[in-house]
Amino acid sequence: DAGVIQSPRHEVTEMGQEVTLRCKPISGHNSLFWYRQTMMRGLELLIYFNNNVPIDDSGMPEDRFSAKMPNASFSTLKIQPSEPRDSAVYFCASRPAPIDNSPLHFGNGTRLTVT
Amino acid sequence: AQTVTQSQPEMSVQEAETVTLSCTYDTSENNYYLFWYKQPPSRQMILVIRQEAYKQQNATENRFSVNFQKAAKSFSLKISDSQLGDTAMYFCAFKIQGAQKLVFGQGTRLTINP
Repeated sequence: DAGVIQSPRHEVTEMGQEVTLRCKPISGHNSLFWYRQTMMRGLELLIYFNNNVPIDDSGMPEDRFSAKMPNASFSTLKIQPSEPRDSAVYFCASRPAPIDNSPLHFGNGTRLTVT
Repeated sequence: AQTVTQSQPEMSVQEAETVTLSCTYDTSENNYYLFWYKQPPSRQMILVIRQEAYKQQNATENRFSVNFQKAAKSFSLKISDSQLGDTAMYFCAFKIQGAQKLVFGQGTRLTINP
């Protein structure tokens, strides 16, 4: 079990550029989550998917953010255009949805810096 | 809406001491799950321990144990014989039974001093 895999580990970009973060969940996990972590706001849930379908995107800050899950083994979080206030650590996590008390398994996160 | 509160932003203890991290939560639900996650400087979020609300017995994992007080909506984490490797941010988290969303507290930064 390779765990949840995120890429890149670090991303530095200039304001206005498009940023794409990638995630591969654990095989067999059918729920996938994107979280954002900042000092001021802690861990915030942005969006989650069940069986590749977005269920709750109420945490997505604005239209500049979008997420997709084209298949069970891949998801992307895109920011276009990026702004300095988007600088944060973005985590992807997965869990086997039918097992109700199963914890979230997190990736190592992507640290995004927008200058 | 469910909320999770960790009232101690930072704590510091000497190696081998016992330390307790506080967590309270607010919910009108009766069935739910509680978790403690550890985030060391490496940034990875690691599950430390979990508790089902329907279980009266407090969960224990080696040096880590919880004090779950359902009526008080309290879920504290006790670390016994603390080690330098326990230095990390600790997050308390809550999930309603049948729901997917995990709600996190703001975290407690724990430092174990040699």
